[in-house]
Amino acid sequence: QKEVEQDPGPLSVPEGAIVSLNCTYSNSAFQYFMWYRQYSRKGPELLMYTYSSGNKEDGRFTAQVDKSSKYISLFIRDSQPSDSATYLCAMETSGSRLTFGEGTQLTVNP
Amino acid sequence: NAGVMQNPRHLVRRRGQEARLRCSPVKGHSHVYWYRQLPEEGLKFMVYLQKENIIDESGMPKERFSAEFPKEGPSILRIQQVVRGDSAAYFCASCGPDHFYEQYFGPGTRLTVT
Repeated sequence: QKEVEQDPGPLSVPEGAIVSLNCTYSNSAFQYFMWYRQYSRKGPELLMYTYSSGNKEDGRFTAQVDKSSKYISLFIRDSQPSDSATYLCAMETSGSRLTFGEGTQLTVNP
Repeated sequence: NAGVMQNPRHLVRRRGQEARLRCSPVKGHSHVYWYRQLPEEGLKFMVYLQKENIIDESGMPKERFSAEFPKEGPSILRIQQVVRGDSAAYFCASCGPDHFYEQYFGPGTRLTVT
């Protein structure tokens, strides 16, 4: 079983839709939860990080962590064509490396 | 305010040759991580270094791969006697002390082994 599971998609939505991206994990030691965006043939770009359970909002993006269910989500409101990318969840135990999901490919259609 | 820099961006090597990948972290960052992204796969951790020290190399293949982060100069990921299976995108990330959750990635080096 992989430590982090992420539906690879692809996911295609119309412009303006609310997008929900999700990951599940098995390692209860994970404390920090990150979301990265990766455009084709570019490096991953950090969108948000969350420590432990709870919600965090940044503009059109909201990250949620439910440690009891080992489940994290990223919501994108009012999605734009420029949001079309691969979204990677990542998790980290304190002071250590990142463990990534395989990424969900998102296309927002104008 | 330069971000993480990696060079070369593209590298082509024949089987059996050596590949050297360079990474200059964000100015002021003393922690460097290397990750590998194989085609159609997610990012996999390889090695974590601080200046002059390897902290965690548990993701590195046991043979042919080595990494360093000298006191002066960039971090280097070295692959000896490359094979076709080494073809991948190699990414470097850096962060400051006590900010392990804020790793900033470079643009990557795409290695092709022919």
